[in-house]
Amino acid sequence: AQSVTQLDSQVPVFEEAPVELRCNYSSSVSVYLFWYVQYPNQGLQLLLKYLSGSTLVKGINGFEAEFNKSQTSFHLRKPSVHISDTAEYFCAVCTSYGKLTFGQGTILTVHP
Amino acid sequence: EADIYQTPRYLVIGTGKKITLECSQTMGHDKMYWYQQDPGMELHLIHYSYGVNSTEKGDLSSESTVSRIRTEHFPLTLESARPSHTSQYLCASSPRLAGESSEQYFGPGTRLTVT
Repeated sequence: AQSVTQLDSQVPVFEEAPVELRCNYSSSVSVYLFWYVQYPNQGLQLLLKYLSGSTLVKGINGFEAEFNKSQTSFHLRKPSVHISDTAEYFCAVCTSYGKLTFGQGTILTVHP
Repeated sequence: EADIYQTPRYLVIGTGKKITLECSQTMGHDKMYWYQQDPGMELHLIHYSYGVNSTEKGDLSSESTVSRIRTEHFPLTLESARPSHTSQYLCASSPRLAGESSEQYFGPGTRLTVT
């Protein structure tokens, strides 16, 4: 069975600072990994995904993530955050038959 | 831009009422999903469908039921709502592609409150 752990439930950061949101997964087979963002009172929007190939994946809004198979991690990074990045971020792993298993979520709060 | 819709967006209803949460997508996706999300918590899969007349229970047990009579429509029904059903319900869809790597597109969610 697959599982996803997001190591930080909340991450406060100042505007224009770099940020890293951590995600670790466990799986006995090859995985596909995703990061989604959820703004207040909205559904989830895909930020980026890792399927295969290059371990550094670039997504929308300046975010990127690095797949590290040996550490079973898929941390999300952005070099300089904006106020508008304030949202909840979910890491997810694709299980069999296309089902997603989500982490607990990380609330990113960007302060001016 | 994902074309997946959920209605209503917000619903407050009394205990014992029957409710149906609507979900429709115009992308022709074969796969559809329902997730339950409590405030500040992760999403839990409660139902999914791989096509017309196909429905399966998800990882989290739920008293709700679903149907898939048309490709674009995947409604969720609670026969008798209880306060424990208070939550946010998110619908998603994905195309049937080779392998299982296709992303899921999410609707805006329905926030249900049972009083």
